[in-house]
Amino acid sequence: QQQVKQSPQSLIVQKGGISIINCAYENTAFDYFPWYQQFPGKGPALLIAIRPDVSEKKEGRFTISFNKSAKQFSLHIMDSQPGDSATYFCAGGYGGSQGNLIFGKGTKLSVKP
Amino acid sequence: DSGVTQTPKHLITATGQRVTLRCSPRSGDLSVYWYQQSLDQGLQFLIQYYNGEERAKGNILERFSAQQFPDLHSELNLSSLELGDSALYFCASSVGPQTATNEKLFFGSGTQLSVL
Repeated sequence: QQQVKQSPQSLIVQKGGISIINCAYENTAFDYFPWYQQFPGKGPALLIAIRPDVSEKKEGRFTISFNKSAKQFSLHIMDSQPGDSATYFCAGGYGGSQGNLIFGKGTKLSVKP
Repeated sequence: DSGVTQTPKHLITATGQRVTLRCSPRSGDLSVYWYQQSLDQGLQFLIQYYNGEERAKGNILERFSAQQFPDLHSELNLSSLELGDSALYFCASSVGPQTATNEKLFFGSGTQLSVL
């Protein structure tokens, strides 16, 4: 019930294309869904996050689409650039005294010039 | 640069040994979180401290322990090390006492632990 399943494991996209990464969660108590971006040799960094009261959130070229009934959410990277090449992690979590983030296993994105 | 400092960057040790990983949070942040990253398990939450007190606990083994000191730096102690403990250990920090779902986390660059 705590899992967050992420796909694909790796993704190759041409420069200018759209990168799409999908996640599915099981725990309906989750109320916070962030995406983290990790470059080699660095720690993850918060990219964008959404709460289940909205179906979409856009920040620049990055958009989260959220489907509460399907318990799925996805990250869309428009006009993908070589500098977007990184590993992306989705996560789900809920508050409360023991709240913490459950991360997906990551998607390695390579954007080819 | 996230402002979170972790030392050492790399650590090589043998099975059965004990190591200490250190984390200095961003200036002004009172919460420190520890995560373990491995290829098969991904990023796993271990434990959170807020202003010196344990705040939340995740999948932390009994052989592992952590503490946060008055100057807010934190240490993660790993003992009786096993081959399977080899992983990248991240520290993250945030401003307030809320758990990770209500705070923006800032991650350090991690400590790569290799147990031989």
